[in-house]
Amino acid sequence: EAQVTQNPRYLITVTGKKLTVTCSQNMNHEYMSWYRQDPGLGLRQIYYSMNVEVTDKGDVPEGYKVSRKEKRNFPLILESPSPNQTSLYFCASSLSTRGQGYHYGYTFGSGTRLTVV
Amino acid sequence: AQSVAQPEDQVNVAEGNPLTVKCTYSVSGNPYLFWYVQYPNRGLQFLLKYITGDNLVKGSYGFEAEFNKSQTSFHLKKPSALVSDSALYFCAVIFSAVTGGGNKLTFGTGTQLKVEL
Repeated sequence: EAQVTQNPRYLITVTGKKLTVTCSQNMNHEYMSWYRQDPGLGLRQIYYSMNVEVTDKGDVPEGYKVSRKEKRNFPLILESPSPNQTSLYFCASSLSTRGQGYHYGYTFGSGTRLTVV
Repeated sequence: AQSVAQPEDQVNVAEGNPLTVKCTYSVSGNPYLFWYVQYPNRGLQFLLKYITGDNLVKGSYGFEAEFNKSQTSFHLKKPSALVSDSALYFCAVIFSAVTGGGNKLTFGTGTQLKVEL
């Protein structure tokens, strides 16, 4: 089954304790992205990756890091989490369609609900 | 500035009645438009998309949306609402599939749809 898998689904942690949320896709997609969802704000892009070893900031990158060493994996790293990073996080992937005049849309993971106390 | 707006935080509809969830966008050029739905404690599910062609797009679960270029709108509609349609709906836009970073999906703030008996 084609899917994006995030782990963990739920995480409660303390301020300052480094954590990693994993994301893996089995569709050979080039493009991957992380979003956070907050009430009244919708989903905002944190980081994205156009391909292996190619990553760039989205709209709200502060306090986050990512890496893309393999095509299928795109982990989100919080080096020193703070309470304002309490949120629902989604990983997504899509085919890269630059120049093709078409877009297939994104496939989303099931989400990771992070609470930082 | 390029943006997407969902002017209603919540829409209430009686079961069996038609429903409309509104979405407008502001962009130069041609947008790629999407609707996603989020059920409680679930990820985002794709409903439908407009890329080009017929302005009326049909999607999953009996939903459809009409692209109106002159009004820069992409309202989601369903002729007869079901209680099971109650969920959070997001309109999303890709503003360019050609330029750098052009896969970015920009979301509206979401509209909570409540369908009552």
